[in-house]
Amino acid sequence: AQTVTQSQPEMSVQEAETVTLSCTYDTSESNYYLFWYKQPPSRQMILVIRQEAYKQQNATENRFSVNFQKAAKSFSLKISDSQLGDTAMYFCALGLNRDDKIIFGKGTRLHILP
Amino acid sequence: SQTIHQWPATLVQPVGSPLSLECTVEGTSNPNLYWYRQAAGRGLQLLFYSVGIGQISSEVPQNLSASRPQDRQFILSSKKLLLSDSGFYLCAWNRQVNYGYTFGSGTRLTVV
Repeated sequence: AQTVTQSQPEMSVQEAETVTLSCTYDTSESNYYLFWYKQPPSRQMILVIRQEAYKQQNATENRFSVNFQKAAKSFSLKISDSQLGDTAMYFCALGLNRDDKIIFGKGTRLHILP
Repeated sequence: SQTIHQWPATLVQPVGSPLSLECTVEGTSNPNLYWYRQAAGRGLQLLFYSVGIGQISSEVPQNLSASRPQDRQFILSSKKLLLSDSGFYLCAWNRQVNYGYTFGSGTRLTVV
């Protein structure tokens, strides 16, 4: 069975600091994708970043980057120069190529403090 | 471009009443469609998914059912709501897993 674990239920950082959210996953599949979703107070789910498992290069989207460690099955999200608008729940997610379903972690609630 | 619409945004229903939540996708054909529930502001639980008209797979036995009467329409229903059905319901679609999901804006359901 596939699982996604986010060990940090809640975090707080000061504005402009860098923060890293942790995620580990488990799957026996070799072909999969990893995602980070953001859910702000509006509760709209927004895709932040995606990573193909077959790519060694870590994905980057502006201030958001990942540290993908395939052997360790780790997929952390780094937010640089954090902004108040980054305050949200962040979900790590795993998608398998053999079906189109995505499995979500339980989320990390991130507070950016002014 | 593709868009997903979900309604209503908020719903307060008495225990024992029926439920119908609707989700439609525009700008694509034959999408995979999903219903998730998010309780207490935490994780997402997959309730139903559909890969085509009339094809529904249930992930969790419960008081809810889903239907897909048209290619881009996905409906979540209940004949008699329970208090435990309260939560935030999200509809999502994709064509392939590699691009993740696109989510609707959600329905906040409160059963009283």
